[in-house]
Amino acid sequence: GQNIDQPTEMTATEGAIVQINCTYQTSGFNGLFWYQQHAGEAPTFLSYNVLDGLEEKGRFSSFLSRSKGYSYLLLKELQMKDSASYLCALLEGYQKVTFGTGTKLQVIP
Amino acid sequence: GAGVSQSPSNKVTEKGKDVELRCDPISGHTALYWYRQRLGQGLEFLIYFQGNSAPDKSGLPSDRFSAERTGESVSTLTIQRTQQEDSAVYLCASSRVAENTIYFGEGSWLTVV
Repeated sequence: GQNIDQPTEMTATEGAIVQINCTYQTSGFNGLFWYQQHAGEAPTFLSYNVLDGLEEKGRFSSFLSRSKGYSYLLLKELQMKDSASYLCALLEGYQKVTFGTGTKLQVIP
Repeated sequence: GAGVSQSPSNKVTEKGKDVELRCDPISGHTALYWYRQRLGQGLEFLIYFQGNSAPDKSGLPSDRFSAERTGESVSTLTIQRTQQEDSAVYLCASSRVAENTIYFGEGSWLTVV
């Protein structure tokens, strides 16, 4: 969506840590999602944040600051299979979900 | 069903023809979403349903596009007089209020020639 901004592409090294940022503007914030999408496949759910702070789930963590309109997805111990697009999405109002254009992450050996 | 089901999975159509894409959401999911994704691009919001009503149709690109939903079940997205620019994958997703996740189908890949 036009009110969600993410970097277009990122490159990181296998075993490293990468942070993918997302900034947004909305008057009806009800939560923020991160999805992973491998080329040619449907998006799959990674995380959901509605309160400020860090949510950790294995190698993936997601952070939210509502006052700053900012979130990031942190990927640790990168693996080659993590090469994919990472989509930030807003839950607005009751149930409307809109996506950013996504960040294409390339993991290199 | 176990997951969101979409049909057809692939469709090649001639410019000017009408197409219908179908989505079967997960049973019990009240919300249903349609997105369009052009090759190498992000997900473009088209429309979403709460039950069989559509609170937000703002994403439909033109009056050639329409969608309907029967109760809390099947939805169809219809594209009339298709154009080459309509070529994309059309993704359907569903969710229920108590669960903060939306689940995607595998998409319907549309090619207009």
